[in-house]
Amino acid sequence: DAGITQSPRHKVTETGTPVTLRCHQTENHRYMYWYRQDPGHGLRLIHYSYGVKDTDKGEVSDGYSVSRSKTEDFLLTLESATSSQTSVYFCAIRGGQGVRAFFGQGTRLTVV
Amino acid sequence: EDKVVQSPLSLVVHEGDTVTLNCSYEVTNFRSLLWYKQEKKAPTFLFMLTSSGIEKKSGRLSSILDKKELFSILNITATQTGDSAVYLCAVGGSDSGGYQKVTFGTGTKLQVIP
Repeated sequence: DAGITQSPRHKVTETGTPVTLRCHQTENHRYMYWYRQDPGHGLRLIHYSYGVKDTDKGEVSDGYSVSRSKTEDFLLTLESATSSQTSVYFCAIRGGQGVRAFFGQGTRLTVV
Repeated sequence: EDKVVQSPLSLVVHEGDTVTLNCSYEVTNFRSLLWYKQEKKAPTFLFMLTSSGIEKKSGRLSSILDKKELFSILNITATQTGDSAVYLCAVGGSDSGGYQKVTFGTGTKLQVIP
């Protein structure tokens, strides 16, 4: 499987606190994506990146920001966590057109 | 906005049955359609389809794409309990800048009972 790791794997945080999730890849893939997965909604795209410092919003980007200062790292920040952001977060990487996306193992975030 | 719709949302079958899962899509600048299997953790890749009418096969699983009618099907023959999972359909398209997005459907939850 592709070299992609997410950290932390589990986190419990309080409402109103900032939280940063990390996605690290060793594949030198261009594209990186952050999704959240909730029952009944499948995987929804939060933000994606097509290169260092190049990012764009997905369908559920409100309350989230991202940064990609290096090819291998894509950070997702919840600026002020809310209970509605309790979810499982997946990072995915993709080399380019015609290349499948590989997923990290997910981060289970609980906001209390 | 890109859209991927899967049906049925869930189904329960007996071992040995054949199942067909459906995926229809609307996407800007279609590039590819992907199928994933998700058990307790991260989705694992099954197929990628880019051309109409060409069936992809892997053991008891097969899939085909119809780019004219904008849908794909995933067939599983002689189902086994190990096939129980959520099957996700995803479509790769390009945004206005030509950069690639991958949009997922909500998945079909398959339960295979002995």
